[in-house]
Amino acid sequence: DVKVTQSSRYLVKRTGEKVFLECVQDMDHENMFWYRQDPGLGLRLIYFSYDVKMKEKGDIPEGYSVSREKKERFSLILESASTNQTSMYLCASSGILAKNIQYFGAGTRLSVL
Amino acid sequence: GNSVTQMEGPVTLSEEAFLTINCTYTATGYPSLFWYVQYPGEGLQLLLKATKADDKGSNKGFEATYRKETTSFHLEKGSVQVSDSAVYFCALSSGGYQKVTFGTGTKLQVIP
Repeated sequence: DVKVTQSSRYLVKRTGEKVFLECVQDMDHENMFWYRQDPGLGLRLIYFSYDVKMKEKGDIPEGYSVSREKKERFSLILESASTNQTSMYLCASSGILAKNIQYFGAGTRLSVL
Repeated sequence: GNSVTQMEGPVTLSEEAFLTINCTYTATGYPSLFWYVQYPGEGLQLLLKATKADDKGSNKGFEATYRKETTSFHLEKGSVQVSDSAVYFCALSSGGYQKVTFGTGTKLQVIP
């Protein structure tokens, strides 16, 4: 089974802090994604990556950056956390053969105070 | 651009009731359609999919038929169980691209 692991289930940070959310997948998938999930808004794509060191903006990239130095790891960075970034963050991956089937981690619930 | 519209929840049903969750879409080309499910405290997982018109996806007693003429992909189950309580997301992918567009999710609560 594909396993997508997010490093933290819950995080509490202060406004202005730099925050790193880590995601690791074990299926050698080429594509990785970061979403945020908010009530009534569903999943919104922040960034995605289709190869090492490659990244593409999603629908809501403002205030976020990403890093993909190794194929299995995709990091989401909040350069200066703000209260409106309090949310559930979901990481996903997909492979070349079935690239539109995504496998998700359990999520990181981030609270910015 | 692509978009997915699904019925707002929450939907509350008694055990063994019939379930329908409506989903309609707007897309360029010929999209693949999906239903994902998110159980409490977990990430999303693929429930079923259909890749062309008139295809029926099915899994765990759930079914959905790709209707191109009505641009719909409604999720159905004949007899729900308490364990089906979850949030259900309709989604699409088109153009062979790796991006997937998700609906806003419908929360289902099944009571004994």
